[in-house]
Amino acid sequence: RKEVEQDPGPFNVPEGATVAFNCTYSNSASQSFFWYRQDCRKEPKLLMSVYSSGNEDGRFTAQLNRASQYISLLIRDSKLSDSATYLCVVRPISYIPTFGRGTSLIVHP
Amino acid sequence: EAGVAQSPRYKIIEKRQSVAFWCNPISGHATLYWYQQILGQGPKLLIQFQNNGVVDDSQLPKDRFSAERLKGVDSTLKIQPAKLEDSAVYLCASSLVWEIGGMNTEAFFGQGTRLTVV
Repeated sequence: RKEVEQDPGPFNVPEGATVAFNCTYSNSASQSFFWYRQDCRKEPKLLMSVYSSGNEDGRFTAQLNRASQYISLLIRDSKLSDSATYLCVVRPISYIPTFGRGTSLIVHP
Repeated sequence: EAGVAQSPRYKIIEKRQSVAFWCNPISGHATLYWYQQILGQGPKLLIQFQNNGVVDDSQLPKDRFSAERLKGVDSTLKIQPAKLEDSAVYLCASSLVWEIGGMNTEAFFGQGTRLTVV
């Protein structure tokens, strides 16, 4: 089993839709979790950290399920500008962050 | 605030040639990472430095790849000799020191060097 697994997609959704991605991780000792966004041919940029209690930032909600070892990202009211690849990052106590392969989102008019 | 600087942006070389990439992290960031991102995949960590010491280089192909951060600031990544499968984007990232029990810190990425080996 890979350390961090994501469905590569693409997820093809209309504007205004709600879409959710999951990311599973294998190391139960993982401490930190993040979602990064990567636009085509650009560098990854932090979208949001994922806290144990879950957190929300505008249209984006991130949640952590330690029992099932996955994190999720929910995007409400999708915009065309949300089209990108969403990378989850899992960081165990050993400091080494591991990226998933990313989930591609395409929002169409 | 200046971001992570990388050069060159693009490089095309023939297989078996050598190549070097340079990274200047954000000022004050003690942790520096080199990632390899092959098309369609997520970034894969090659090496992580804390100041000028190596934290992890378990995924660095040491027969051909080397990296250094002699003064704890700038870093160079070298490939010698290059293979076709080394074609990828090489991303440098930096973050503040992350301590156990401390606040999580964000890793800031440079724009990367796109390497094509022909």
